[in-house]
Amino acid sequence: DGGITQSPKYLFRKEGQNVTLSCEQNLNHDAMYWYRQDPGQGLRLIYYSQIVNDFQKGDIAEGYSVSREKKESFPLTVTSAQKNPTAFYLCASSIVREKLFFGSGTQLSVL
Amino acid sequence: SQQGEEDPQALSIQEGENATMNCSYKTSINNLQWYRQNSGRGLVHLILIRSNEREKHSGRLRVTLDTSKKSSSLLITASRAADTASYFCATDSRDTGRRALTFGSGTRLQVQP
Repeated sequence: DGGITQSPKYLFRKEGQNVTLSCEQNLNHDAMYWYRQDPGQGLRLIYYSQIVNDFQKGDIAEGYSVSREKKESFPLTVTSAQKNPTAFYLCASSIVREKLFFGSGTQLSVL
Repeated sequence: SQQGEEDPQALSIQEGENATMNCSYKTSINNLQWYRQNSGRGLVHLILIRSNEREKHSGRLRVTLDTSKKSSSLLITASRAADTASYFCATDSRDTGRRALTFGSGTRLQVQP
């Protein structure tokens, strides 16, 4: 069953803690993306990757980091430098410049 | 940056009526896409329209694109309660060199049964 999987569905972060959100796809897509969505708002681009071992910053990359060591995986780390991390995080993949396939999202909250 | 801005922000209609949502954007584009999101879920792709296309249909969906006005519209005909969701436009910009979509703020559609 092809698709894109995000985990966990809910995540809680303590102050000063780094947390990592998982994103895995088996669609054989080269491109992967991370977006942040605040309540009632649109999506803002955090990072994206067009190919393994390469990634680019989006509009709101500060306080986040990513890696792309495998084609299937694009994990996002929310670092302690991100002072307002509470949001819904969406991962997506695509053939470059074509439609995006989204995961079901991770809701991150601060304890 | 929000490339696309949807209008209206919220729309409430009766089942069976048509729903029209508009999107304006700022740069030249390769394509414009519309997505749907049910509350608390991921987005689902609806339609992609390329910059050299003016109109596209998919089932009860009709999308138009006017590149001279930098605008697009999504029409849902004969709406159903199940169409209740948020709808977003997203643009693949030709100007910025960024190879990722930029999303608008969305239209929240409520279809009353």
